[in-house]
Amino acid sequence: GAVVSQHPSWVICKSGTSVKIECRSLDFQATTMFWYRQFPKQSLMLMATSNEGSKATYEQGVEKDKFLINHASLTLSTLTVTSAHPEDSSFYICSARDLGGAGNSPLHFGNGTRLTVT
Amino acid sequence: GQNIDQPTEMTATEGAIVQINCTYQTSGFNGLFWYQQHAGEAPTFLSYNVLDGLEEKGRFSSFLSRSKGYSYLLLKELQMKDSASYLCAVKDSNYQLIWGAGTKLIIKP
Repeated sequence: GAVVSQHPSWVICKSGTSVKIECRSLDFQATTMFWYRQFPKQSLMLMATSNEGSKATYEQGVEKDKFLINHASLTLSTLTVTSAHPEDSSFYICSARDLGGAGNSPLHFGNGTRLTVT
Repeated sequence: GQNIDQPTEMTATEGAIVQINCTYQTSGFNGLFWYQQHAGEAPTFLSYNVLDGLEEKGRFSSFLSRSKGYSYLLLKELQMKDSASYLCAVKDSNYQLIWGAGTKLIIKP
């Protein structure tokens, strides 16, 4: 089945530093990738939609200058949390839909990145 | 506004059957998904319904009634490994996924 690889799986960083999270589709191409954030015991919250070759679309309330998204190829999207603060500590998950799949094919999720900002 | 409702938590016994309900109010409908999420892990796809009726896949089945804005996930022959959160998600008229808060299922021996 389709595999999405997300790296790193966990990271601890100091307040004020930046962290980059990578999301790769290993055996399929994805024009669009989605970045989610999930706080403990809460549902997934869509942060932004990453579009290959163009600017990402951010959800209301998500700071685009703080959460930088780059989707340089059909298999790689990156999320950079800039000037991280403790309140950015969360579980970040990327997902993608197979470009060759049907319009209602399910999302394939990465394993998530647990970010802790100290 | 758009809304997906699921029970917060359910408890069931190993070997039994449990039904997790999901009701939705969205701007348009283009399919409903069920995902399983173990603690600390990413969600994994379970089922997809776009037409009314029951979709069966092994121990798991999913039902949809579009007129009632209602779906359920039925888990049979429960195993301890089924302890997880189950997320209901609806694709709206803009093909955006609207997520429920998830139902935490606790399986007891």
